[in-house]
Amino acid sequence: DQQVKQNSPSLSVQEGRISILNCDYTNSMFDYFLWYKKYPAEGPTFLISISSIKDKNEDGRFTVFLNKSAKHLSLHIVPSQPGDSAVYFCAASARSNNNDMRFGAGTRLTVKP
Amino acid sequence: NAGVTQTPKFQVLKTGQSMTLQCAQDMNHNSMYWYRQDPGMGLRLIYYSASEGTTDKGEVPNGYNVSRLNKREFSLRLESAAPSQTSVYFCASSEFSPGVVYGYTFGSGTRLTVV
Repeated sequence: DQQVKQNSPSLSVQEGRISILNCDYTNSMFDYFLWYKKYPAEGPTFLISISSIKDKNEDGRFTVFLNKSAKHLSLHIVPSQPGDSAVYFCAASARSNNNDMRFGAGTRLTVKP
Repeated sequence: NAGVTQTPKFQVLKTGQSMTLQCAQDMNHNSMYWYRQDPGMGLRLIYYSASEGTTDKGEVPNGYNVSRLNKREFSLRLESAAPSQTSVYFCASSEFSPGVVYGYTFGSGTRLTVV
């Protein structure tokens, strides 16, 4: 039973445009959400996170939006660059059980020059 | 700045063989984790160790055992490998405080094939 779902296996965008990666979750206990980025033959690296007390968190070109009522979050990358091409994993955790982080299946982003 | 180091990077096993995947971190993190990554499934937690001396089951623990040897090292053992355990295995570590979620630092993975 996947509690974190990324329904788009892949996304292709043009350099300079916006990339929007989506994620849905089912467990109401999740109150902290993270995005990781993964290049081939490397481990995932932490990118950005958001607490459930916020609806937006921004870090440079990366912004994460959280819609708690819809149990949905998204990662916006503006402007997209070819170096952003990677697999992006959405993850969720509950602060009451913060050693059990659940991950989505990932979305492969390709940014074309 | 090694971070999280996993060995080996690649391994091929025959069904029924045993092996241990090694993981070490140099960030003085309290918590360590083992995940497996399978196509279409994302990363699934096998076992974790919240602190030295403790280990707990995650989402998919069957067929695996772990040892938290000291604060730095957390190993994963397959006693009798099965083809269903063919996967990429990632070790990760993080700080730990009750009620706080930290981002994990991952190793580069071990690609295991069981034939």
